[in-house]
Amino acid sequence: DADVTQTPRNRITKTGKRIMLECSQTKGHDRMYWYRQDPGLGLRLIYYSFDVKDINKGEISDGYSVSRQAQAKFSLSLESAIPNQTALYFCATGLETSENEQFFGPGTRLTVL
Amino acid sequence: QKEVEQNSGPLSVPEGAIASLNCTYSDRGSQSFFWYRQYSGKSPELIMFIYSNGDKEDGRFTAQLNKASQYVSLLIRDSQPSDSATYLCAADSGGSNYKLTFGKGTLLTVNP
Repeated sequence: DADVTQTPRNRITKTGKRIMLECSQTKGHDRMYWYRQDPGLGLRLIYYSFDVKDINKGEISDGYSVSRQAQAKFSLSLESAIPNQTALYFCATGLETSENEQFFGPGTRLTVL
Repeated sequence: QKEVEQNSGPLSVPEGAIASLNCTYSDRGSQSFFWYRQYSGKSPELIMFIYSNGDKEDGRFTAQLNKASQYVSLLIRDSQPSDSATYLCAADSGGSNYKLTFGKGTLLTVNP
């Protein structure tokens, strides 16, 4: 089984809809991250969490919210999706005692029409 | 604004050659640096990380770090067509921040 899983893998939705992207991990890592990737813009950090009670905004958090339901689960919500949120979304994990390396899930391709 | 800069490429090399990928970073507080490989439509995969000045070798890959020049590089020896991918450079925020700043990536094509 994959260490970091994301659901759904692909999603097409309409403007104004609420969308939740889910991330689960079996790596036992404390830190979890949400990124989006756009052509020409690279990976940009949306939110990150160091434990269930520690949630932090990244560089592009507007229009997004997150929930850390458990150490192993970190969900990203788009309250009212808009077309410029069309992107590839990645969840990543990291271990507290590591050298800050992060390990990525397979990604969710989200299209907002 | 912390930045990590990479040439977007594409960088094209023949099979068997050495591919050299370069990266500069703006934050002198960064301590650890990472190279990820990303195939089209797939997730980034960690290849190597380095935190000491000098070279670090792992198989066909060598990472080089020069903190004085704020420069990181990745050398791929005996390049194979399967190495064709986008390579992402990342730098951490230093201290206990545990965030990474990514470059936009360099597209490498290895021609048979």
